[in-house]
Amino acid sequence: AQSVTQLDSHVSVSEGTPVLLRCNYSSSYSPSLFWYVQHPNKGLQLLLKYTSAATLVKGINGFEAEFKKSETSFHLTKPSAHMSDAAEYFCVVSDLTLSNDMRFGAGTRLTVKP
Amino acid sequence: DGGITQSPKYLFRKEGQNVTLSCEQNLNHDAMYWYRQDPGQGLRLIYYSQIVNDFQKGDIAEGYSVSREKKESFPLTVTSAQKNPTAFYLCASSDRGQTDTQYFGPGTRLTVL
Repeated sequence: AQSVTQLDSHVSVSEGTPVLLRCNYSSSYSPSLFWYVQHPNKGLQLLLKYTSAATLVKGINGFEAEFKKSETSFHLTKPSAHMSDAAEYFCVVSDLTLSNDMRFGAGTRLTVKP
Repeated sequence: DGGITQSPKYLFRKEGQNVTLSCEQNLNHDAMYWYRQDPGQGLRLIYYSQIVNDFQKGDIAEGYSVSREKKESFPLTVTSAQKNPTAFYLCASSDRGQTDTQYFGPGTRLTVL
């Protein structure tokens, strides 16, 4: 079975400082990994996706994530936080060999202080 | 404009009543999904459908029902058998299957009084 753990339920940063949202996964096979963002009372928007190509994945709004198989991690980073980045972020793992198994992390709420 | 629409955005119902949430997509996606979101718990899969006239139970299907009569539509009925129906419900679709990128609708917040 596969699973994903987001290590922080809440992260607070100041505007202009780096963002790090941590995600560890467990998967028996070659996983696909995603990061989604959700603003209050909205649906989820895809930030980026890893599917066994380059290990450093660049997404929208300046976010990127690095797949590290040895550490089973897929942390999300951004060099400089903006006020509009305040939202809930979800790490998701999907197994390419299973037909119906996509697992969501519990989410990390990012707060950006002025 | 391509996308997924869910209606209504907010829904209030009395306990014991069935209620149907709408989900429509014009992305020509084969697969559609319903998730439930509760605070601090991420998303949990209720039902999914990979093709018209076929659907499968997810992790928390009890108390819910779905239909998939048309490719673009995947309505979810929350029945009176669902013990804690108050939640935020999200619909999603993907092109070829559940391992593909899923695109989400704006959600419906259901409150049962």
